[in-house]
Amino acid sequence: SSELTQDPAVSVALGQTVRITCQGDSLRNYYANWYHQKPGQAPVLVIYGKKKRPSGISDRISGSSSGNTASLTITGAQAEDEGDYYCNCRDSSNNPRRVFGGGTRLTVL
Amino acid sequence: QVQLQESGPGLVEPSQTLSLTCTVSGGSVNSASYYWSWIRQPPGEGLEWIGYIYNTGSTYYSPSLKSRVTISLDTPKNQFSLNLNSVTAADTAVYFCARETILGPLEDAFDIWGQGTMVTVSS
Repeated sequence: SSELTQDPAVSVALGQTVRITCQGDSLRNYYANWYHQKPGQAPVLVIYGKKKRPSGISDRISGSSSGNTASLTITGAQAEDEGDYYCNCRDSSNNPRRVFGGGTRLTVL
Repeated sequence: QVQLQESGPGLVEPSQTLSLTCTVSGGSVNSASYYWSWIRQPPGEGLEWIGYIYNTGSTYYSPSLKSRVTISLDTPKNQFSLNLNSVTAADTAVYFCARETILGPLEDAFDIWGQGTMVTVSS
């Protein structure tokens, strides 16, 4: 089975650019999704299918992928971007289990 | 728009069964375009996928919980439910129901979430 690994915490200065990464063997075969969760709230889908944005999500948020690593990039970070970010995808073609990364807490300084 | 709402007891005694229901409004659980999932989050921790059910009634559960989990579908009521038996304190968590949209052979994503409901396992 596959796991997804994320850095526990990342910080960025207001207005700067930050990249959050997610590593795992599953990402060689499946696209990563990204979710943003603020305290006490449900996660919100911000990137799916590697780099597509749902309606209403800021175009400051983008996704990319290479090999076993998926990345979420936030340009011009704002206070509202703070919170936890989780990646997710399927485990493998032989195992339809869904997996989540451990999450990255983003702090905007 | 589609909305999901969890309901059920907030307190469950150890060794008992945790039962939650997710009511779907603005859409149908009978659609072939979605999986209907349960996901949980222990206090201060990350997200853990529990399992899903499809409109045909087929299910798939996380291997770590498979022996204790049942997810069922009530199409007339437009609901799906979670039963987790033999609970312990380790099952204390916020439980979310979520819609997973099937976007393609390599693409599916949890695009709609319920607000979550806190379940505490304690005597």
